Amino acid sequence: DSGVTQTPKHLITATGQRVTLRCSPRSGDLSVYWYQQSLDQGLQFLIQYYNGEERAKGNILERFSAQQFPDLHSELNLSSLELGDSALYFCASSVDLGAGPGELFFGEGSRLTVL
Amino acid sequence: AQSVTQLGSHVSVSEGALVLLRCNYSSSVPPYLFWYVQYPNQGLQLLLKYTSAATLVKGINGFEAEFKKSETSFHLTKPSAHMSDAAEYFCAVSKSNDYKLSFGAGTTVTVRA
Repeated sequence: DSGVTQTPKHLITATGQRVTLRCSPRSGDLSVYWYQQSLDQGLQFLIQYYNGEERAKGNILERFSAQQFPDLHSELNLSSLELGDSALYFCASSVDLGAGPGELFFGEGSRLTVL
Repeated sequence: AQSVTQLGSHVSVSEGALVLLRCNYSSSVPPYLFWYVQYPNQGLQLLLKYTSAATLVKGINGFEAEFKKSETSFHLTKPSAHMSDAAEYFCAVSKSNDYKLSFGAGTTVTVRA
């Protein structure tokens, strides 16, 4: 158990819909990362938040957005869903104390299926 | 942009045989390098990381990796494969001042009895 909790574990929805994925980081971790894993794209970094502020942005579509709340949990919002958005979405957290990249602790992922 | 290339998307080994997974990186500066493992239906778990302290890095479950700057490689090895090593393995790279990781495409390891 990594200590990172993601909900829901599975989600099936239709094209055009909007979903929200939730992540609770490990206790004490200030950074939250979102990754998308798909068969054709592999593991792609989407976005990182550190203590409520956006720190880095990767290959995140404009239809997607994220935020980190004062209690440090994070939500990834996916809107106007397309078939190609079907993937496993991982949240990871780390301490990020300024000594360079440390270990990322991954949740078990939220599997999104868009029909 | 930094990237890693994992040679071989699938590797099959016999139980007790050497496991060798290849990873090459492209980076203009010394990077941080990682190996993560993903067991079926689970998230990724750190096996080991290189942060310039030592070129030979020992990780969990008997795995180790050697950083070779001249070859821009960070190959992962385990002397004797166990059935429980069946999983997908990812090499990842990060800059020293950047916490996000760029992952390779992954290598799936199957272990034959």
